[in-house]
Amino acid sequence: GAVVSQHPSWVICKSGTSVKIECRSLDFQATTMFWYRQFPKQSLMLMATSNEGSKATYEQGVEKDKFLINHASLTLSTLTVTSAHPEDSSFYICSARDGAVYQETQYFGPGTRLLVL
Amino acid sequence: AQTVTQSQPEMSVQEAETVTLSCTYDTSESDYYLFWYKQPPSRQMILVIRQEAYKQQNATENRFSVNFQKAAKSFSLKISDSQLGDAAMYFCAYRSHSTQGGSEKLVFGKGTKLTVNP
Repeated sequence: GAVVSQHPSWVICKSGTSVKIECRSLDFQATTMFWYRQFPKQSLMLMATSNEGSKATYEQGVEKDKFLINHASLTLSTLTVTSAHPEDSSFYICSARDGAVYQETQYFGPGTRLLVL
Repeated sequence: AQTVTQSQPEMSVQEAETVTLSCTYDTSESDYYLFWYKQPPSRQMILVIRQEAYKQQNATENRFSVNFQKAAKSFSLKISDSQLGDAAMYFCAYRSHSTQGGSEKLVFGKGTKLTVNP
């Protein structure tokens, strides 16, 4: 149980284009999902917290107009990197909280590697 | 704000031996959760073990156990009978018990890279 998927796992795009990353909870309902960014050999940096049906809460320093988050259902959240630039190249990870069981535990997706050329 | 410190950037252990990874944290709260996550080369974050602060008993999951010292704000992870598959980055994380005002987010340490030698 508590499986989270992400799609795509790998994406290369041209500078100036937009990229959408999907995060799905496969076997549970996730009222809250989280989006992280991880640079090589570093820890995870929380970008935003996403609650189903409401606006995401962004961490300080994260541009909400650049990183659009939508949590339209209890099993799906999306992160759209708009007008991507090479400095947006990173590893993006989502996690979801299973409210029915151990509600304080976050389960992570496998991550998405984004390379902006 | 809460902080999590992992003072060992790298550790190594011989296969079948035991290793302990350190984690300390700083908080003014009395009720919270602590976690150890493992991130192998695939970069998939895997939950290893969780501990509720109000429980005095140390959590165990098979070969993984913790030494939770609430007064000292210490939460170390012991891996017994280390296996090659245990090689990974290990992250210690803190979460407030409260769900108000964004307090449900995880606060991560910087991680410890564990190498298992055959």
